[in-house]
Amino acid sequence: QQPVQSPQAVILREGEDAVINCSSSKALYSVHWYRQKHGEAPIFLMILLKGGEQKGHDKISASFNEKKQQSSLYLTASQLSYSGTYFCGTEIGYGGSQGNLIFGKGTKLSVKP
Amino acid sequence: KAGVTQTPRYLIKTRGQQVTLSCSPISGHRSVSWYQQTPGQGLQFLFEYFSETQRNKGNFPGRFSGRQFSNSRSEMNVSTLELGDSALYLCASSPWDGTTGVEQYFGPGTRLTVT
Repeated sequence: QQPVQSPQAVILREGEDAVINCSSSKALYSVHWYRQKHGEAPIFLMILLKGGEQKGHDKISASFNEKKQQSSLYLTASQLSYSGTYFCGTEIGYGGSQGNLIFGKGTKLSVKP
Repeated sequence: KAGVTQTPRYLIKTRGQQVTLSCSPISGHRSVSWYQQTPGQGLQFLFEYFSETQRNKGNFPGRFSGRQFSNSRSEMNVSTLELGDSALYLCASSPWDGTTGVEQYFGPGTRLTVT
């Protein structure tokens, strides 16, 4: 039931792009993306609802493929501040289950100068 | 608005003891969720409260319990502590009001060490 994130870790140089994937074996209602820096709380990035939408702000965007139960997070022209562990949280079912997010194990992203 | 606050930030307990952690959500948020984070298991959902009622519960033993007060503040309690309960306990508040797909805002967490 836990979504699978890939890759587990990635190292980038500043300015390079990265894609983080999140796959579930269950039908998803929504996918949430968070970033956590070492010793800090996870920070909300964005949420995608079923319907295959795509969202983005600044140089971070995401897509949700409802048919494949997959979401991808795209980081373009990476900056040092993008370093951290990225988690996807999946919401299975409908509104009554909101709050019951099942998180992937995370993808550790390191951006080097 | 002030963010989610959790107290205490660090706690050291002995096996067999019990512990109570506190969470104050963002003003106006009525939904509070609790998560356990460990290096091996990652972020695992414990339970979620809305308007003083537990709406959802994760797959944890009955030693883990929680409650929410009328001002939306929440507490979680772990009884008969085990070494494996050592973890970062995160609280998240949400403006959920019956609609779907609403974001959660995490507090800084309480680092619990059981010796």
